[in-house]
Amino acid sequence: DTGVSQNPRHKITKRGQNVTFRCDPISEHNRLYWYRQTLGQGPEFLTYFQNEAQLEKSRLLSDRFSAERPKGSFSTLEIQRTEQGDSAMYLCASIYSWGDTSYNEQFFGPGTRLTVL
Amino acid sequence: AQKVTQAQTEISVVEKEDVTLDCVYETRDTTYYLFWYKQPPSGELVFLIRRNSFDEQNEISGRYSWNFQKSTSSFNFTITASQVVDSAVYFCALSGYGQNFVFGPGTRLSVLP
Repeated sequence: DTGVSQNPRHKITKRGQNVTFRCDPISEHNRLYWYRQTLGQGPEFLTYFQNEAQLEKSRLLSDRFSAERPKGSFSTLEIQRTEQGDSAMYLCASIYSWGDTSYNEQFFGPGTRLTVL
Repeated sequence: AQKVTQAQTEISVVEKEDVTLDCVYETRDTTYYLFWYKQPPSGELVFLIRRNSFDEQNEISGRYSWNFQKSTSSFNFTITASQVVDSAVYFCALSGYGQNFVFGPGTRLSVLP
């Protein structure tokens, strides 16, 4: 296991379609984060999981966005009824952490670039 | 609320020049962690350094050095004798109570040969 992987790397879709992205974290990492990054900006936090529990989802951009991590390993991020404004890079990161503060650095995947036509 | 500001949007230097990237943060947490990440043109974020709020010692790693000052809420990053391969976008990030990582907007560094 050499790092965080994300699939697909690129996704082009038409407005109104649903898309799903997958993230496979580093195997021993218990926390998984999703971010969105638009051009010229830093990563914007969306949600995160501690094992299979989604502990923060208020930052998801709308109710069209949802994420799962059913077995505490890989995670999926789904966007329903995509809009052109959803075009961005979607990043996944994983970390081994404990307690209330995330001490360790996050390891990022290469991202999935979404283009909505 | 936590916030990270990187006032320099873009910096251009000529190879071998020294360059400092500024980072100013805001947090009410007493325990927090600061990070720098590099995002090269290939796009994948690469971790550079972590510093906790109780450790104000400056750190040097090769051509990289970091200056953490709690009094001014700053965590600046200096590259000495810059090289073309240092060209990238650099992000400062903050993690405190509540697990979220807050990233700054980034500074795009261009090192010209």
